[in-house]
Amino acid sequence: AQTVTQSQPEMSVQEAETVTLSCTYDTSESDYYLFWYKQPPSRQMILVIRQEAYKQQNATENRFSVNFQKAAKSFSLKISDSQLGDAAMYFCAYRQGAQKLVFGQGTRLTINP
Amino acid sequence: ETGVTQSPTHLIKTRGQQVTLRCSSQSGHNTVSWYQQALGQGPQFIFQYYREEENGRGNFPPRFSGLQFPNYSSELNVNALELDDSALYLCASSLPDSYEQYFGPGTRLTVT
Repeated sequence: AQTVTQSQPEMSVQEAETVTLSCTYDTSESDYYLFWYKQPPSRQMILVIRQEAYKQQNATENRFSVNFQKAAKSFSLKISDSQLGDAAMYFCAYRQGAQKLVFGQGTRLTINP
Repeated sequence: ETGVTQSPTHLIKTRGQQVTLRCSSQSGHNTVSWYQQALGQGPQFIFQYYREEENGRGNFPPRFSGLQFPNYSSELNVNALELDDSALYLCASSLPDSYEQYFGPGTRLTVT
């Protein structure tokens, strides 16, 4: 079974600085998707960024980028120029095809002004 | 375009009771997935519905059941509630071959 592990329960960063959240996963499949979701106190899960496993190029969305290491089964999220609104729980997730999302335990990110 | 909505927002039930949670999918989305998120944990997949049929199920007992209606809205039913069923229940809708699931705001269920 696929598993997703986030080893950092909590992280904090100064406003305007850069922070990296870690994620590792386990799968025997070669074709899959990886995601980072943000869950603010409002509880609604918001997609931050996705990566298709067949793409070697790391995904980037404005201040958010990933470091995808397929052989190492590692998928970290880098947030540049951190803003107060980035404070939230961040979940790494795996999906194969149109099936279920498998989530990690989450990392609580605090932004210090 | 209307997003995913869920009702009710909060719910308090007693152990042994039954509960029904509702989800309206995003316009045009015919696939609905349900997740259970215990406090401090990541969401766990309960089941998925596609065109009114169950299309995948996670490691949840049969007392967790669901329905999907012709308009693609969905219900999650939980019988014989247990204290451990206390959680945030998330609904997500998607198109069948789309990578992205759109989540609703969730229903917070408390079992006492």
